[in-house]
Amino acid sequence: KAGVTQTPRYLIKTRGQQVTLSCSPISGHRSVSWYQQTPGQGLQFLFEYFSETQRNKGNFPGRFSGRQFSNSRSEMNVSTLELGDSALYLCASSLGSAGGSTDTQYFGPGTRLTVL
Amino acid sequence: KNEVEQSPQNLTAQEGEFITINCSYSVGISALHWLQQHPGGGIVSLFMLSSGKKKHGRLIATINIQEKHSSLHITASHPRDSAVYICAPYPRLHTGNQFYFGTGTSLTVIP
Repeated sequence: KAGVTQTPRYLIKTRGQQVTLSCSPISGHRSVSWYQQTPGQGLQFLFEYFSETQRNKGNFPGRFSGRQFSNSRSEMNVSTLELGDSALYLCASSLGSAGGSTDTQYFGPGTRLTVL
Repeated sequence: KNEVEQSPQNLTAQEGEFITINCSYSVGISALHWLQQHPGGGIVSLFMLSSGKKKHGRLIATINIQEKHSSLHITASHPRDSAVYICAPYPRLHTGNQFYFGTGTSLTVIP
C-alpha cells in the first residue's frame, strides 16, 4: 500500500502571496489531519477532515483553510502569507472511524514552506 | 500554559543503555500517542495507549491515567533509535485541538 504523499515537498513564497499544499492519504483512509511544525512552537494541530467535512479545528487564523475531496485527498491553503508561516506542514491520514483518539495516524513526509 | 510536559528535552546515551522518556499532561484524555520523528521530518506513530502498557520489540510504553503520566522506555538502545520522541495526548473534551503535543525529547544514541 502506498503511504501518505504530500506535494510539493519544498516551496518558497514571498509575503502576501498565497499557497496551496496537497495531501493524498493512504487508500481507504477517510480522515486527513494537517499539522504545522516550527522550531519555536513545535507541532500544532491545524484541522481535520473526515468524509469531506471539517471535523476538528485548531487555533489558527482564518488565513489557514482546507478542504477534502470525495476521494479523500485534501488541500490546505494559506492566504496572505506572513514570515511566521515558514514551517514544515505535515498531513496525516487515518481510518477515521474511531473519531481520532484511537486511530493510528500515518504521516506524510511534509512540505517545507519558506516565506521570504 | 503548557498542557503537556516532556522530560528530558535532550538525552544522550551509550548504545545498549536503558532509556526512559516521561510525559505529563494536565487535561483529561481518551488516549495518548507516542510519535517518533527522524531527522528530515518523517513522523511515525509508535504507540496508542488508553491504559496500562504496550510493548513493540525493544520499545515499551506505559500510562497512568489517574496520575496523568506516561513513559516511553527503550531497552538495549541502538544508534538507529536516535530521533525526536513526541507524546501527544488526545483530549477527552475537544477544545479545538485534536491533539496536544509535547515539545519532544531529542535522543542521541552513541555507538
